[in-house]
Parts: sequence; C-alpha cells; structure tokens
Amino acid sequence: DIQMTQSPSSLSASVGDRVTITCQASQGIRNYLNWYQQKPGKAPKALIYAASNLETGVPSRFSGSGSGTEFTFTISSLQPEDVGTYFCQQYDKHPLSFGGGTKVEI
Amino acid sequence: QVQLQESGPGLVKPSQTLSLTCNVSGGSISNNAYYWSWIRQHPGKGLDYIGYVFYSGSTYYKPSLKSRTSISLDTSKNQFSLKLSSVTAADTAVYYCARDTISGSGSRYFDFWGQGILVTVSS
Repeated sequence: DIQMTQSPSSLSASVGDRVTITCQASQGIRNYLNWYQQKPGKAPKALIYAASNLETGVPSRFSGSGSGTEFTFTISSLQPEDVGTYFCQQYDKHPLSFGGGTKVEI
Repeated sequence: QVQLQESGPGLVKPSQTLSLTCNVSGGSISNNAYYWSWIRQHPGKGLDYIGYVFYSGSTYYKPSLKSRTSISLDTSKNQFSLKLSSVTAADTAVYYCARDTISGSGSRYFDFWGQGILVTVSS
C-alpha cells in the first residue's frame, strides 16, 4: 500500500499569512494527488485535484504543486474561514489512501 | 446539485453486521463516470478508504477489509449500500459515502460526500 505522510500535523498562523503543507508519498504517484479541506463535524471538501487543478468554486488563494513523491499545498493568504484540517489523497494505486491530516488554526 | 445521504443504525453490537445505505439525489448512479464509494473516519483520526461499487455492479474492497465487506447498488432506488460483517470496537467510526468522479484526463477525486453517520460498535 502507498503511505502518505503529511507535515506538519498542525500549525497556527495569522490571518494573511502564507501557509504551506507538504505531502510525501512512499512511492511515485505521478501527479495523482488530491487535497481536501475538512471543517469540524463536516465531510471533507475537494479543493485541488491532479496535484494542481483547482476545483470549481474554490478560491484562488488555494494552490497545489508537485509530482512523483513530493507535493505541496499552499494557502497564499490565510483567512478565518480556512480553519480546519487538510488531507492529501493519492489515487495512483489501490487501495486509495489519505495523509494523516494537517490541522490549521489561527 | 448532487446530494448523498447516509442512513442506518448508529449502534451495532460486536460480531454483528453493520449495514448502511447511501441515497443519491440530483443524479443517477447508473453512470459510468463515477465510482460510488465508502470511506470511514475513526474518532479524531484520518480517513480510511473502504471501497467502491461501479454502475455495472463491479466492486473493489480494501484488502484488509475485503473478507468482511460488501458494497452493492440498487438502481431502482438510486442507492448503494455497505455491509461490514463481524464488527468490533475498532469499526467504530463516522462512515461517509462519496462520489468518486473519473475524468477523461484520468484524474479522479471525491467530489460529493454525504454528511457522514457515526456508527458505534458496543454491546
């Protein structure tokens, strides 16, 4: 199985800060990597698919990059509504797998 | 707008079978562009992929759960279901149904999710 390792596991930043989360795959997964946001008590919401594509309706302050085993997710200017937990997910090989999550606080 | 809604018992006894249904509205499950999936989240933990059913009825199950898992379609009701047998306390989790969208470029992601249902395994 492909293991997805996210870092950091949590972070605290100020409104307007640039926030970066990394996701490392245990083997190469091309660009088959998605990012989700989960707010407390809610289902995850897709933000980025195929490493760098912004889901429709998602603000442009969210972005993603990377390929192979190293991926980055960035919030260019953190907003209060961005508080939540962010997960990466690979779909290169079954079983599909998720990172452990990064909790973002302000 | 597509909506998914899980339903089923919130409490299951150890060794029994967990049964959940996901009702899909705003779109047909008889569509070859989607995998209808189940994902769970243990309390305070990350996301754990369980498997999917395709419109044709073909399925995939995570190997570590395969012997206990069954996912099926009911096209007449536009629903799909999860059965997980011989449950233990380790199966206590929030269970989500989700639509896994396949694009022509080969990308796929979970674009619609149910709200989730907490299932507790306890006697």
